[in-house]
Amino acid sequence: AQTVTQSQPEMSVQEAETVTLSCTYDTSESDYYLFWYKQPPSRQMILVIRQEAYKQQNATENRFSVNFQKAAKSFSLKISDSQLGDAAMYFCAYRRGETSGSRLTFGEGTQLTVNP
Amino acid sequence: DGGITQSPKYLFRKEGQNVTLSCEQNLNHDAMYWYRQDPGQGLRLIYYSQIVNDFQKGDIAEGYSVSREKKESFPLTVTSAQKNPTAFYLCASSPYTANLYGYTFGSGTRLTVV
Repeated sequence: AQTVTQSQPEMSVQEAETVTLSCTYDTSESDYYLFWYKQPPSRQMILVIRQEAYKQQNATENRFSVNFQKAAKSFSLKISDSQLGDAAMYFCAYRRGETSGSRLTFGEGTQLTVNP
Repeated sequence: DGGITQSPKYLFRKEGQNVTLSCEQNLNHDAMYWYRQDPGQGLRLIYYSQIVNDFQKGDIAEGYSVSREKKESFPLTVTSAQKNPTAFYLCASSPYTANLYGYTFGSGTRLTVV
């Protein structure tokens, strides 16, 4: 079974600075997708960024980027120029690629605080 | 606008009662999922359905039941056999053949045992 581990239950960052959230996963599959979701206090889950395992290039979405290390099974999220609105719980998630409609497996989450 | 609607937003259950959480989507997605969220434990999969009239147990299915009679609807019943039902419940959906796109989530239901 696939597992996803987020080793940082809580992180904090000063506004306008950069922070990196860690995620590791365990799988024997070669075809899969990785995701970062944000859950603000409203508790609505929002997709931040995704990465296809077969792509070597790291995904980027505006101030959000990932460092995908396939051999190390590591998928960290970097938030640049942090804003107060970035404060949220962040979840890393894994999804098999070969099976249609496969489930997402989530990590335990990292609570990010942004200090003004 | 297309999306997923969960209702109610807050639900209170007495000991020994069954309650049903509603999840409806108008995204034409084939696959639907129910997760439970507890503090410090992330999201754990309860049940999922990849097609109408078919569903599979997830990691914590005991004390829960589901049905999938229509593509748009995937209700979750929390039975009296669920010993610790107080939690936040999230419903999600995705296209069957597009794992790349992850899930679309509902806004959740907070269930409290009183």
